[in-house]
Amino acid sequence: KAGVTQTPRYLIKTRGQQVTLSCSPISGHRSVSWYQQTPGQGLQFLFEYFSETQRNKGNFPGRFSGRQFSNSRSEMNVSTLELGDSALYLCASGFGGTWETQYFGPGTRLLVL
Amino acid sequence: DAKTTQPNSMESNEEEPVHLPCNHSTISGTDYIHWYRQLPSQGPEYVIHGLTSNVNNRMASLAIAEDRKSSTLILHRATLRDAAVYYCILLDDKIIFGKGTRLHILP
Repeated sequence: KAGVTQTPRYLIKTRGQQVTLSCSPISGHRSVSWYQQTPGQGLQFLFEYFSETQRNKGNFPGRFSGRQFSNSRSEMNVSTLELGDSALYLCASGFGGTWETQYFGPGTRLLVL
Repeated sequence: DAKTTQPNSMESNEEEPVHLPCNHSTISGTDYIHWYRQLPSQGPEYVIHGLTSNVNNRMASLAIAEDRKSSTLILHRATLRDAAVYYCILLDDKIIFGKGTRLHILP
């Protein structure tokens, strides 16, 4: 069974631009969560989608948004990029139960110049 | 804020057991204790989880204190490939990662 895939793996943008990251969950998984990882803040939860609905949300500004499609694939968008948005963005998929194991992808490394 | 407390780093010799502690004094009755680890340049991966009883799987064992205020992840025979950051997490409706414990394995 294929794992969680994220595209692109690396991305360079400039301040003020916007970016869209994509996540394809493991087949059969209906939940997709997004995380931001930086050296200073560690791993921080962004949001979770289940059956195309946002089910949980972390403490990030509205510039960070996401969506989930009917095939469970998910996209994350960051508008008006700031230097501090440079990070590894990870997505994780699961069957959707509250205490279910989550399976992480390799991440997309975003550099904002 | 993370609801767990772990040492920043630990060191162990290869092929010896490793005990990684985690304190979670504010745990509620329905919180599951999950452990994930993150190898260098990879996303986190699931290791083990439990609620009240000790648990074993092919990767590790999880020992949970009787009052559930602490737990210990046990790697029975550490290898160099076990060098990673280990996260102890209380799972309710979302995963909140703390800083984790960086485990160094000495050859």
